[in-house]
Amino acid sequence: SYELTQPPSVSVSPGQTARITCSGERLGDKFACWYQQKPGQSPVLVLYEDKKRPSGIPERFSGSNSGNTATLTISGTQAMDEADYYCQAWDSDTWVFGGGTRLTVL
Amino acid sequence: QITLEESGPTLVKPTQTLTLTCTFSGFSVSTYGAGVGWIRQPPGKALEWLALIYWDDDKRYSPSLKNRLTITKDTSKNHVVLRMTNMDPVDTATYFCAHTTALAGKYDFDSWGQGTLVTVSS
Repeated sequence: SYELTQPPSVSVSPGQTARITCSGERLGDKFACWYQQKPGQSPVLVLYEDKKRPSGIPERFSGSNSGNTATLTISGTQAMDEADYYCQAWDSDTWVFGGGTRLTVL
Repeated sequence: QITLEESGPTLVKPTQTLTLTCTFSGFSVSTYGAGVGWIRQPPGKALEWLALIYWDDDKRYSPSLKNRLTITKDTSKNHVVLRMTNMDPVDTATYFCAHTTALAGKYDFDSWGQGTLVTVSS
C-alpha cells in the first residue's frame, strides 16, 4: 500500500519561512494536497493540485511537488499558522494521508 | 456554500455495527462529479481515509477496512451513510465526512464536516 511520510514536528520563528515535507514513492507523478488542522477543529484544505490555493487561503501558503517529495511552504509564518498539517495524495483508488506534522511557531 | 454534518451514536459496544449519517447542503450527490468521503482520526493520531461514494454510485473503500465498510447515498435526503461492522475499541475516533469532486487529477477534500466522536467501549 502507498505511504506518505511527514516529519512529526517543525518549528519556526514568527516571520520566518516554514517548510513541511511529504515523501512518497514517485509522489511527483501524482497531485498532492495539504490540510491544516487546529486543535479541536476539522481539517481545512490549504493547497490542492500541489500548489493551488482555495479561496480564502493566504498567499503565504505555497507548494511544490517533484520526485518523491512534496513541500508546503509558509512564508512569513504567523502565530495563527501553528497547527497540524497533513499531506494527502491518491494512489490506486485509495486516498492516502501522511502522518501529520505539528508546526510550532515560537 | 457547502456544509456537511455528521450524526450518529457517540458510544457503541464492541462487535456492534456503527451507522453514521452525513447530511449536507450546497451540492447534490447526484450532480455530475460530486463525491462524499469518510475519514476518521483516533484521538491524538493522524487522519485515515475510509470510504468514498460518487454521484454515479461508484464506491471506493480502504483496502484494510473494506470487509467491514458499506457506504450508500440517499439523493432525495442529501444523505450519505457509512456502516462499519464489528466495532472494536481501536475504532474509537472522530469520524468526518467531506466533499470532493471527481475531476481529472483532483482528489482532495475541499469541505469537511465538524466530525463526530465515536467511542467503542463495553
